[in-house]
Amino acid sequence: AQKITQTQPGMFVQEKEAVTLDCTYDTSDPSYGLFWYKQPSSGEMIFLIYQGSYDQQNATEGRYSLNFQKARKSANLVISASQLGDSAMYFCAMREVDSWGKFQFGAGTQVVVTP
Amino acid sequence: ETGVTQTPRHLVMGMTNKKSLKCEQHLGHNAMYWYKQSAKKPLELMFVYSLEERVENNSVPSRFSPECPNSSHLFLHLHTLQPEDSALYLCASSHRPNEQFFGPGTRLTVL
Repeated sequence: AQKITQTQPGMFVQEKEAVTLDCTYDTSDPSYGLFWYKQPSSGEMIFLIYQGSYDQQNATEGRYSLNFQKARKSANLVISASQLGDSAMYFCAMREVDSWGKFQFGAGTQVVVTP
Repeated sequence: ETGVTQTPRHLVMGMTNKKSLKCEQHLGHNAMYWYKQSAKKPLELMFVYSLEERVENNSVPSRFSPECPNSSHLFLHLHTLQPEDSALYLCASSHRPNEQFFGPGTRLTVL
């Protein structure tokens, strides 16, 4: 069963605007990690940000922040001040920490930043 | 700078060929992964190696055969593939649960 849901297949955002990418997850494990990756057209998966299930504060990395709502099982990515180079596919992923193999990805959201 | 390299970057092969994909990590990680990324599908985890032992094999057909000779190298041996095996094959490595670094991928086309 799919454990990571990204409901937005594609989004357009204007340069310098903020954009929120949705991600919901499903797990019964108390300990897990949530990740966001960026995949440009070149294919490489670039790690953006990580949120642990026990982290008290929302993770931030530069222009990226993760809006973690544990009770709702959501981990939305916010990209502030979008740049043309942000155009890419964005994947949400979850790792149930006790298992090496339980690292699952969502279907992704294609973001296109326009001038 | 990525510490995970993959070769070749592109590969075209016939269904009767045998080829191998190579992954190398220079990050001192102790776990390595193979993923398959097909068009319009989420990434699929294929194999996981931890300390050179296979710890996960997600029902992958036997025409895919992984090999992890040491903690820095991971191979994926391919034989008698099918056209539906055409995809981007991504290698990743990690040392801690809160990280996973990917290589640039090998784009495989099976004719």
